[in-house]
Amino acid sequence: AQKVTQAQTEISVVEKEDVTLDCVYETRDTTYYLFWYKQPPSGELVFLIRRNSFDEQNEISGRYSWNFQKSTSSFNFTITASQVVDSAVYFCALSEAYSSASKIIFGSGTRLSIRP
Amino acid sequence: DVKVTQSSRYLVKRTGEKVFLECVQDMDHENMFWYRQDPGLGLRLIYFSYDVKMKEKGDIPEGYSVSREKKERFSLILESASTNQTSMYLCASSIRTGVGYGYTFGSGTRLTVV
Repeated sequence: AQKVTQAQTEISVVEKEDVTLDCVYETRDTTYYLFWYKQPPSGELVFLIRRNSFDEQNEISGRYSWNFQKSTSSFNFTITASQVVDSAVYFCALSEAYSSASKIIFGSGTRLSIRP
Repeated sequence: DVKVTQSSRYLVKRTGEKVFLECVQDMDHENMFWYRQDPGLGLRLIYFSYDVKMKEKGDIPEGYSVSREKKERFSLILESASTNQTSMYLCASSIRTGVGYGYTFGSGTRLTVV
């Protein structure tokens, strides 16, 4: 069965620190997609990134970077030089290629607080 | 800009009431989903629909039903609201069934059952 684990319930750092959010997943499929979503206080989940199981290249987008390692079934998210606006709940998620309606399974989320 | 709109941001209902949560998307997406979000539990799938009048149960369908009479609208129905259904409800849509299509989410409805 598919599962996404975000072991860090809450993280609090001071602004400008780097912070890594961990994500570990389980799936029996060889083809799958991984996602990160951000949920700011406004409530709406915002898509950040999608990565397919055949592409293990790390990705960087500004201060955000993602490290995908199939060997450890992990898809970690790092924010460099964090800012107060990064405060949000972050969800890691998994979609298997052949699941009906492309269902996405979400982790329990990590609440990130950036202190000024 | 694509949009998923949930009709109410906050809702307070009494135990035993029948509650309708409405969700509309303007993107011509085939798939629509209802999740509930609770602290420490993340997002749990209640029901989803992959076509008009088609629906499937998610992981926690008990106490809920859904309706999709038109492609753009997906309603979640609490037949007889109970206090354990107090939660944040999130609607989402995706373009079609297939590999790797992500979701577009609405802003959520925070439902309190008293």
